[in-house]
Amino acid sequence: DTGVSQDPRHKITKRGQNVTFRCDPISEHNRLYWYRQTLGQGPEFLTYFQNEAQLEKSRLLSDRFSAERPKGSFSTLEIQRTEQGDSAMYLCASSTGDSNQPQHFGDGTRLSIL
Amino acid sequence: GQNIDQPTEMTATEGAIVQINCTYQTSGFNGLFWYQQHAGEAPTFLSYNVLDGLEEKGRFSSFLSRSKGYSYLLLKELQMKDSASYLCAVSSSGGSYIPTFGRGTSLIVHP
Repeated sequence: DTGVSQDPRHKITKRGQNVTFRCDPISEHNRLYWYRQTLGQGPEFLTYFQNEAQLEKSRLLSDRFSAERPKGSFSTLEIQRTEQGDSAMYLCASSTGDSNQPQHFGDGTRLSIL
Repeated sequence: GQNIDQPTEMTATEGAIVQINCTYQTSGFNGLFWYQQHAGEAPTFLSYNVLDGLEEKGRFSSFLSRSKGYSYLLLKELQMKDSASYLCAVSSSGGSYIPTFGRGTSLIVHP
């Protein structure tokens, strides 16, 4: 068990470009979450998968954001036509299927929009 | 929706005890988590409370009162490495059991 891994760790891009992040959860975890975190704030929920099914999306999630988990293992988060307000740390977490189990977080992808 | 409130920042002295409070309003409460997050790193799990009372785990303890919508994290024998952000997260049926995080409390431990 190597924990949750995210790639890349840092991404710098110009406004208007598309970016894609990858998350590899702990192998036996069937739940996968994406959060966004800005300085001085807690993680803000974006979306959640159980296996390959995307079961929940935040109402705050713009239609420029899309996430997939095609085989129920790794997940990708894509942001299209990036805006400066998208600059943040994007965190991925995974957990088992029990709601009382903690989430295990990756180190995140820090996105900077120029 | 859920509303979670924590103090923004606290300071304490090495070797002392500090209590970090978290209050919440939610429907269908299912449990409360505490996480530690060092600057630039991932949050790491500290504790989970679902029943009222105190859960002790080494230097860290967490308390829950469901009737008051209140929890605290107690850190004893503070060390410099305890300087970090402490995040309170609530799971509830009203939130589809997806943990919702407070803004975090930044703890600064000084010599």
